[in-house]
Amino acid sequence: GAVVSQHPSRVICKSGTSVKIECRSLDFQATTMFWYRQFPKQSLMLMATSNEGSKATYEQGVEKDKFLINHASLTLSTLTVTSAHPEDSSFYICSARDPSGGGDTQYFGPGTRLTVL
Amino acid sequence: ELKVEQNPLFLSMQEGKNYTIYCNYSTTSDRLYWYRQDPGKSLESLFVLLSNGAVKQEGRLMASLDTKARLSTLHITAAVHDLSATYFCAVDFRGSNYQLIWGAGTKLIIKP
Repeated sequence: GAVVSQHPSRVICKSGTSVKIECRSLDFQATTMFWYRQFPKQSLMLMATSNEGSKATYEQGVEKDKFLINHASLTLSTLTVTSAHPEDSSFYICSARDPSGGGDTQYFGPGTRLTVL
Repeated sequence: ELKVEQNPLFLSMQEGKNYTIYCNYSTTSDRLYWYRQDPGKSLESLFVLLSNGAVKQEGRLMASLDTKARLSTLHITAAVHDLSATYFCAVDFRGSNYQLIWGAGTKLIIKP
């Protein structure tokens, strides 16, 4: 199946710093990528939808100036958590939609665990 | 309102038993997904169900879809400890960006 990578897998940073997370589709072109946040023992919360070459669409309640998303190419989307605070600590997961073959399946990255001290 | 409801949310069972997880959704959908998540890990795709009456099986897991009832089931046969995980269903309501609406997840613990 299709592979999506995420980097880094784990990051610990100080409050006030910015953290960039990369999401790459390794063997397919993803016109659409999604960024999720997951709190412990909870379901996934969609943060934003990222389309290549256009501005991301943010879900209600998600601060676009705080969570900067850039979908620079058909295989790469980045999420930058700006001026991170402890409440931003969470598990961030990206997914990429593979439209080829009519499957329209979303493939998930391995996730990035962010801890803000 | 687009809503996906899973039940039960927590299930503890003995090895060798059968059980079913249910996923109800609120409006017409083109496809339904089942995913597995192990603690601290990301999501693994299990099944994609595309049409009414679709049934897919992989090992001890079988998923089915009834679009008229807006219901999908994930059936576990003769459970083994390795199936312990959290299982999510997600529905594609064919919004403009193919966003998935997620169930709350079912945490399954299978005791040896």
